[in-house]
Amino acid sequence: NAGVIQTPRHKVTGKGQEATLWCEPISGHSAVFWYRQTIVQGLEFLTYFRNQAPIDDSGMPKERFSAQMPNQSHSTLKIQSTQPQDSAVYLCASSLGTGGAEQFFGPGTRLTVL
Amino acid sequence: AQSVTQPDARVTVSEGASLQLRCKYSSSVTPYLFWYVQYPRQGLQLLLKYYSGDPVVQGVNGFEAEFSKSNSSFHLRKASVHWSDSAVYFCAVSYTGYQNFYFGKGTSLTVIP
Repeated sequence: NAGVIQTPRHKVTGKGQEATLWCEPISGHSAVFWYRQTIVQGLEFLTYFRNQAPIDDSGMPKERFSAQMPNQSHSTLKIQSTQPQDSAVYLCASSLGTGGAEQFFGPGTRLTVL
Repeated sequence: AQSVTQPDARVTVSEGASLQLRCKYSSSVTPYLFWYVQYPRQGLQLLLKYYSGDPVVQGVNGFEAEFSKSNSSFHLRKASVHWSDSAVYFCAVSYTGYQNFYFGKGTSLTVIP
């Protein structure tokens, strides 16, 4: 079991460019979660999927951010027209999707917007 | 609304000393309770979890936590810390029927050798 895989581990973009972050959940897990982590704001929930369907995107910025889960083996978080304030570590987690199930986290993608 | 409070943003202790990191939750029902640890440049790792039963639960690396329904708390403890325990510790809760977690803001632990 390789755990949750996130690629790339580091990404540097210029202001205004697009960034796509990838997450491969643990095989057999039906829920996938995205978080953003910064020194100032701490750990912020963005969105989550269950059985590939979007369940709660209440933490997603309304503009420029979108997430998809086209199949059970990966999810993407896309940020259009990146801004310096988007610089953060983006964490993906997966779980069995049942009530109380623990989340397993990936190592994160560090996004730096210049 | 549900919330999780970790009142201590930073804690510094000497190696070999005992440790308690505090966590309080706010909800009308008892949630599932978790403690996670994050080492530098890594994702979060589960230390322990509480669902029901014995209010003291054992975790990895000598950590334990005690649930108190009356105090709505789930404090993390360790009898003797090691310098390698230096990390950020997060308390989290979840509820039946909703798979997402509510996280506290974390406590940064520094263990002085």
